[in-house]
Amino acid sequence: GQNIDQPTEMTATEGAIVQINCTYQTSGFNGLFWYQQHAGEAPTFLSYNVLDGLEEKGRFSSFLSRSKGYSYLLLKELQMKDSASYLCAVMDSNYQLIWGAGTKLIIKP
Amino acid sequence: DTAVSQTPKYLVTQMGNDKSIKCEQNLGHDTMYWYKQDSKKFLKIMFSYNNKELIINETVPNRFSPKSPDKAHLNLHINSLELGDSAVYFCASSPELGSGANVLTFGAGSRLTVL
Repeated sequence: GQNIDQPTEMTATEGAIVQINCTYQTSGFNGLFWYQQHAGEAPTFLSYNVLDGLEEKGRFSSFLSRSKGYSYLLLKELQMKDSASYLCAVMDSNYQLIWGAGTKLIIKP
Repeated sequence: DTAVSQTPKYLVTQMGNDKSIKCEQNLGHDTMYWYKQDSKKFLKIMFSYNNKELIINETVPNRFSPKSPDKAHLNLHINSLELGDSAVYFCASSPELGSGANVLTFGAGSRLTVL
């Protein structure tokens, strides 16, 4: 079956760096997405990786290793507003999105 | 202007009732979706429409019936509501199917509570 694994919850300190991991096993691969979802709000797009390597976008970076079925989202200079759930999703060979359950990130002052 | 708007935002109703949630997108996207997010925050695809045509219909009870009058609208009608239907329902749209970089834009969600 298809599977996306990410930690349920993580805690980090304001100003620090945190890495959220995602491993996947899917039928084919057409890209990996990260979305951010604040409590009570809609998910919003953060990043898309289809080739191996690191994509940097401001304080957020996303890394992909297709051979390892692995990605991470790196958040630098953490701010209180970064407290949210981070959802990893993989597009399979049929271009369907397979979603992880999300990682709830708690930022402490 | 809201890109993907869905109404109502909150819906509280009794078991056995029938209810509808409406969704509209003004992004010119070809594809629209309904997702269900339960209390464990897991996003589950229910339906996908491409240019008004049903593409994905996951194992959803036939009490749920989507309707797409045009490619900018995708409504969800639910018959004979059950307690287990309580969840947040998200509408989303994307430029097209069959493309890797197919970013979804979500509506704000409709929280359904069945008593």
